[in-house]
Amino acid sequence: GEQVEQLPSILRVQEGSSASINCSYEDSASNYFPWYKQEPGENPKLIIDIRSNMERKQIQELIVLLDKKAKRFSLHITDTQPGDSAMYFCAASVNNNNAPRFGAGTKLSVKP
Amino acid sequence: GPKVLQIPSHQIIDMGQMVTLNCDPVSNHLYFYWYKQILGQQMEFLVNFYNGKVMEKSKLFKDQFSVERPDGSYFTLKIQPTALEDSAVYFCASSFLGGGEQYFGPGTRLTVL
Repeated sequence: GEQVEQLPSILRVQEGSSASINCSYEDSASNYFPWYKQEPGENPKLIIDIRSNMERKQIQELIVLLDKKAKRFSLHITDTQPGDSAMYFCAASVNNNNAPRFGAGTKLSVKP
Repeated sequence: GPKVLQIPSHQIIDMGQMVTLNCDPVSNHLYFYWYKQILGQQMEFLVNFYNGKVMEKSKLFKDQFSVERPDGSYFTLKIQPTALEDSAVYFCASSFLGGGEQYFGPGTRLTVL
């Protein structure tokens, strides 16, 4: 199956600044890249996703970028708030084929 | 929005016993998954199930693990016998498309003593 690398593992930012999480994948056939937010004791919740026919997608303060050539994708949270503090996971999959594989996660802490 | 349910939320059993984790997926979803997460760390893929069959499984899906969904009822993960290293939170997920948008259940915390 797909292998996904995610960095950094820990990210601390000041409220109002931006936070960036980077992921890379191995299988060039991967075409679906979701991002999940997981709060302590909760299940992962999809916050944004991007498919391989796009290079950029934005939902409010969340921006995802996809570079298929480099096999990298990233999540950018602009104007972070303390409520953004959580674990964030990237994942990659090939539609109609393999299950999404997750990165190791990034623990984001936003200081007020 | 669509919800995936998991029963039970917690399970404590002795090593060597059998355990069955139950998942009630989103009603029109066709693909079902189990993931294992230890201590809020990485979500590790176990198995992908579609049309009554295992589509793919990882190295973590040991011979002691099995999955089924008899007659559209719960999608289950059975571990027999359990080992200490099976202690984790097990998340079920479902999707309409294979490899597509997944909805996760709240997880079952399994503790093997």
